[in-house]
Amino acid sequence: RKEVEQDPGPFNVPEGATVAFNCTYSNSASQSFFWYRQDCRKEPKLLMSVYSSGNEDGRFTAQLNRASQYISLLIRDSKLSDSATYLCVVSWIKAAGNKLTFGGGTRVLVKP
Amino acid sequence: NAGVTQTPKFQVLKTGQSMTLQCAQDMNHNSMYWYRQDPGMGLRLIYYSASEGTTDKGEVPNGYNVSRLNKREFSLRLESAAPSQTSVYFCASSEETIEDFYNEQFFGPGTRLTVL
Repeated sequence: RKEVEQDPGPFNVPEGATVAFNCTYSNSASQSFFWYRQDCRKEPKLLMSVYSSGNEDGRFTAQLNRASQYISLLIRDSKLSDSATYLCVVSWIKAAGNKLTFGGGTRVLVKP
Repeated sequence: NAGVTQTPKFQVLKTGQSMTLQCAQDMNHNSMYWYRQDPGMGLRLIYYSASEGTTDKGEVPNGYNVSRLNKREFSLRLESAAPSQTSVYFCASSEETIEDFYNEQFFGPGTRLTVL
């Protein structure tokens, strides 16, 4: 079983619609959670960190469910420019070894 | 402020050839990382350097060596390239934190390597 799993998609989303997808992680000791965005043939860039209480950044909302070991990302009012691959990233404390684990990514295609 | 730069952008090697991928950052970060990205596999950590003068193995270090030349530069060397090393290689850097949690990693544009 992969340590961080994501539905690869693609999620085909009409412009203006809402899309949500999850990422599951296997290590219950995981401490830090992030969503990165990666455009085609480009480098990953941080979209947002995920906090225990959930957090929102404009049209993007991230949630963490520790009991079920997953994080989610919701995009409201999708724009064409939201088309990208979204990478789930999980880590645990440095004392346990430096380990930042990436999921395989979820591809989102926003269409007019 | 260029951020993280990598050279070359593209490279084709024959099996058994060697090469060094270069990475530099101008953000005064202590920590630097090398990842490889393969389709459907996500990014996998090859080596990292928590600070100048130190390096540690990541998830997939076999077939690679690294050098933290100074605070700015972190190079990745393939001594004898194999077709299995065909991949996209990303270098990244991050600030050091006194807490246990990770800071944002900033990535370079990547090197697309093909080994024939």
